[in-house]
Amino acid sequence: ETGVTQTPRHLVMGMTNKKSLKCEQHLGHNAMYWYKQSAKKPLELMFVYNFKEQTENNSVPSRFSPECPNSSHLFLHLHTLQPEDSALYLCASSSLRRGSEGGANVLTFGAGSRLTVL
Amino acid sequence: AQSVTQPDIHITVSEGASLELRCNYSYGATPYLFWYVQSPGQGLQLLLKYFSGDTLVQGIKGFEAEFKRSQSSFNLRKPSVHWSDAAEYFCAVGSPYSGGYNKLIFGAGTRLAVHP
Repeated sequence: ETGVTQTPRHLVMGMTNKKSLKCEQHLGHNAMYWYKQSAKKPLELMFVYNFKEQTENNSVPSRFSPECPNSSHLFLHLHTLQPEDSALYLCASSSLRRGSEGGANVLTFGAGSRLTVL
Repeated sequence: AQSVTQPDIHITVSEGASLELRCNYSYGATPYLFWYVQSPGQGLQLLLKYFSGDTLVQGIKGFEAEFKRSQSSFNLRKPSVHWSDAAEYFCAVGSPYSGGYNKLIFGAGTRLAVHP
């Protein structure tokens, strides 16, 4: 149990479908992240939410729409995706350490949602 | 711009042999450095981190890493590899001054295979 739970673990969708990925953390963290992990590419940061406010959007196409209703839950809404969007989507959370910089925060990752777009 | 390079895409070692995974970073100031491990079908688990102080850091599962500022490196080592260490290993750098969160930059990963 990592403390960060992602559902579903596997998702297959057509290009015209609408689906959502869910992430929940039980660690009391303030920041939540979406990363994309594609084959043979480094992990790509997509979005960051800090205290429910979006603080990073790494030029992600609008067919990916994040939502963070509270500090414990993070969603990634998917609409009209492309086959190249097939990847492992990882959620993570972190907590700001007292007296430290943000870059020192340790990210705790979920197990990921494996997305296949047909 | 920050970057992390892991020169070895795949490494194969025999069980019981020593291991060193290389990581080089590019960053103007002293970075925060991390090693994560990912087993098949799983998320990333933190092995160890370096923030400051002693340049040799100990982590979980018998791993250690050494920060060498002159070489901009943060190589991961283990004296004796176990079959369960087969996984993908990621080096990452976190930037200071990012406020309340961490914009980790990851390397491309090194996939470790262990022969019995």
